[in-house]
Amino acid sequence: DTAVSQTPKYLVTQMGNDKSIKCEQNLGHDTMYWYKQDSKKFLKIMFSYNNKELIINETVPNRFSPKSPDKAHLNLHINSLELGDSAVYFCASSQDGYETQYFGPGTRLLVL
Amino acid sequence: KQEVTQIPAALSVPEGENLVLNCSFTDSAIYNLQWFRQDPGKGLTSLLLIQSSQREQTSGRLNASLDKSSGRSTLYIAASQPGDSATYLCAVRLIRSSNTGKLIFGQGTTLQVKP
Repeated sequence: DTAVSQTPKYLVTQMGNDKSIKCEQNLGHDTMYWYKQDSKKFLKIMFSYNNKELIINETVPNRFSPKSPDKAHLNLHINSLELGDSAVYFCASSQDGYETQYFGPGTRLLVL
Repeated sequence: KQEVTQIPAALSVPEGENLVLNCSFTDSAIYNLQWFRQDPGKGLTSLLLIQSSQREQTSGRLNASLDKSSGRSTLYIAASQPGDSATYLCAVRLIRSSNTGKLIFGQGTTLQVKP
C-alpha cells in the first residue's frame, strides 16, 4: 500500500493554464505539506496543514492555493501557470510537526 | 536565517569503500536533524533522525552524528554498495518552528558507488 500518493506523476501544460495536483495519505497523519524542488534539486517548503488548518505559507505567490478537504488529503491548485513554476512538487505527511515526514513520489510539472 | 550546506555536491567511490557526507547549518537552535535519501525520479526516504539532545544515530551500515555547537552533522556509510547510489539530503527543524514541521534542506550530495 502506498503511504503518500500524488496524482498526476507528470504534468505538461501551457503557460497561463490552471492545474491541480492531488495528494492523499493513508497513514492517519494530522499534518501534510507541499514542497517544491527546483531544477537545481533545492527542496523548499511551500505549505503545511494540520488537521485541515493552514500552518505554514512560505511567501508563495497567490496563484498557488492549497486545499485540504479532510486531513488525509491536501491538494494544490495553481492558477495562471508560469515558466518558473516548472519543478517537481512533493507532498509529505507526518503525525505532527515534530515527527518524521513521509514523502510522496513527486509530480513533475513542465510549463511550456 | 538558517542555511544548510552539504559538501561535496557529488561523490564517486568504488564499491566497498567507507565514506562520509557532510552537512553544516548556521543556526544551532535546532530541534532535530534528519537525513534523507532520494533516488532519481523518486520521492524522499527518511534514513535517520537525530534529536538535538543526541550525538548520533545508527541504522545498519549508516551512522549519523550531530554536533550542534559547531553546526555540523555527518552521515557515515560503511562498506558502500552500488545500491547506495542516490542523492542524500540533510534537513534541519528549528526550535522556533518545530511544531510546524518546517524542514530546511541542504542541496544534497549525489553519491555514485561504482561496482
